[in-house]
Parts: sequence; C-alpha cells; structure tokens
Amino acid sequence: QQQVKQSPQSLIVQKGGISIINCAYENTAFDYFPWYQQFPGKGPALLIAIRPDVSEKKEGRFTISFNKSAKQFSLHIMDSQPGDSATYFCAASRMDSSYKLIFGSGTRLLVRP
Amino acid sequence: EAQVTQNPRYLITVTGKKLTVTCSQNMNHEYMSWYRQDPGLGLRQIYYSMNVEVTDKGDVPEGYKVSRKEKRNFPLILESPSPNQTSLYFCASSLNSLPDTQYFGPGTRLTVL
Repeated sequence: QQQVKQSPQSLIVQKGGISIINCAYENTAFDYFPWYQQFPGKGPALLIAIRPDVSEKKEGRFTISFNKSAKQFSLHIMDSQPGDSATYFCAASRMDSSYKLIFGSGTRLLVRP
Repeated sequence: EAQVTQNPRYLITVTGKKLTVTCSQNMNHEYMSWYRQDPGLGLRQIYYSMNVEVTDKGDVPEGYKVSRKEKRNFPLILESPSPNQTSLYFCASSLNSLPDTQYFGPGTRLTVL
C-alpha cells in the first residue's frame, strides 16, 4: 500500500520552462511534507518542505503548493535549468514522528538546453 | 566537513553470506536511519535509531538487523542475504526528530547473487 503517490514518473522540460511534480497522500495525520533532490550517484538532499498551516512556500525558483482538502501537494520549478536535472522525491510524515518519512516513488526530471 | 559515510560503496555477494554495511556520522546527531531505494518504489525506511541503544523498525525491516552502540555509528547487518535484498542503501542522520536537519550518506549499491 503506497501512502504517498507521486507523478509523473519522468518529465522532460525545456530550459526556462516550468516543471511540475505532483504528490497525493492518504493519511490525514501527515503534517510535514518535504521534497528531496537526488543527483546520480548521490544521496537525496532536502530541497524544501512545507507544513499544512500554509498553502504555499517559495524558496528561489522552487515552490511547494499544498491543498489540504484534496490531500495533494506539488513542487513547481520555475525557469527550469539543465542543472535541475535530477530525481525528485516527495515525502510525508507526522510531526510527532517526523523521522519516519514515507517517500513517493520519485520523478526523474530532464531539463533540455 | 559534516558528513555521513558508508562502506562499502559497492558490494557483490552471494546468497546466505553474512555482511555488514557501516554508517558513520561526524555531526553528533542523535537520529539515524537506514533506507533502501528501489526503482518505482522510492525510498523505504528499514530501521531507525533515536539514540544509543534505541532502535525501532521502519517499513521494511525483514531480513535486516541494526545496532547503535555508539552515537556516531549505525551498522546495517544482513545475516543471510537474499537476491530480493539487491538494492541501493542509504544511511541518514539528523540532529533531532525533524528531517530539516537530515543528511544522507552517498549510498551503498548491493547485489546479492
């Protein structure tokens, strides 16, 4: 049973375009939603995270949008660059046990020059 | 330099031959975790530890053991590896329970023949 569903599995975007990755969760007890970026041969690294008391969080070109009623959250990468080409994972957890992360299946993003 | 190290980085072994993957962090972090990453499944937590001598099962603990005798080390033990444990393994550590402070190691690629 996959508690966090991520789509698409892969994504190709032209340089300068917007990359959008979506995730949906089932457990309404989840209240912490991080996104991770992973380059080939490296471990995942925290990119940006959101808590459900806000509907959007922006850090540079990266924005998380959160829809609590739909139990969905998404990552938007504005002005996508070739250096953004990586695998992106969404995740979810409960704040009282936030070390127990449930990950999505990942999205491989390729940004073409 | 703050880091999580794993050894070995690559390992090919045979079914039933006990092996240990070491994980060490130099940040005095209390929390440590082991994950496995498989295509289409994202990362799944195997075990986690909240402090020395305190460990608990994650989502996929079957076939694995861990120990936390020292704060800096969190080895993963496969007593009788099987081919379905062929995977990419990541160790992670965090200062506290919040993943905001979590660092991942570089990964260990394990193949069980």
